[in-house]
Amino acid sequence: EAQVTQNPRYLITVTGKKLTVTCSQNMNHEYMSWYRQDPGLGLRQIYYSMNVEVTDKGDVPEGYKVSRKEKRNFPLILESPSPNQTSLYFCASSLEGGTGETQYFGPGTRLLVL
Amino acid sequence: ILNVEQSPQSLHVQEGDSTNFTCSFPSSNFYALHWYRWETAKSPEALFVMTLNGDEKKKGRISATLNTKEGYSYLYIKGSQPEDSATYLCAFIGSGNTGKLIFGQGTTLQVKP
Repeated sequence: EAQVTQNPRYLITVTGKKLTVTCSQNMNHEYMSWYRQDPGLGLRQIYYSMNVEVTDKGDVPEGYKVSRKEKRNFPLILESPSPNQTSLYFCASSLEGGTGETQYFGPGTRLLVL
Repeated sequence: ILNVEQSPQSLHVQEGDSTNFTCSFPSSNFYALHWYRWETAKSPEALFVMTLNGDEKKKGRISATLNTKEGYSYLYIKGSQPEDSATYLCAFIGSGNTGKLIFGQGTTLQVKP
């Protein structure tokens, strides 16, 4: 089944404890992206990757890192999480970025930073 | 800072009503506009990708139009059903950076049986 998977789906952590949220797609998509969703603010793009080894900042990259060492995976790394990173996170992928291709979203990861 | 606005913020209609809402975006440097449907506790699902001025796309009872010169897109739902209840998101992609999506805040539709 073609899909985008994220793990974990739910996570409670404490301030400063490094964490990684994994994202994987099995559709051979070139483009992958991370978003966070906060009430009243809609979806905001954190980082995106047009292809392997190519990543770029979205609108809210502060406090996050990403890597794209292989096409199928695009992990989101929080080196030192803070409470303001409590949010719902979505990973998405598409065949290509910005060429009119729709994005397929993962199921979301709900993160609570205490 | 690019601004993408959706209106109204929320909408309550009766089953069978037709409805429409708006996505406004910068009229310069347009590349593409996406529409997504987002049900509670699920992930956003793609509805349409619109790239050409004057585009009109249709999927069942849902259709969308695009005016890139004036910077807006309309989403129409004909004969709303309770299962249409969801948040509808638009996302703008500019020609200056085609990897970057700017989402509107969404229109939340509630259809009462």
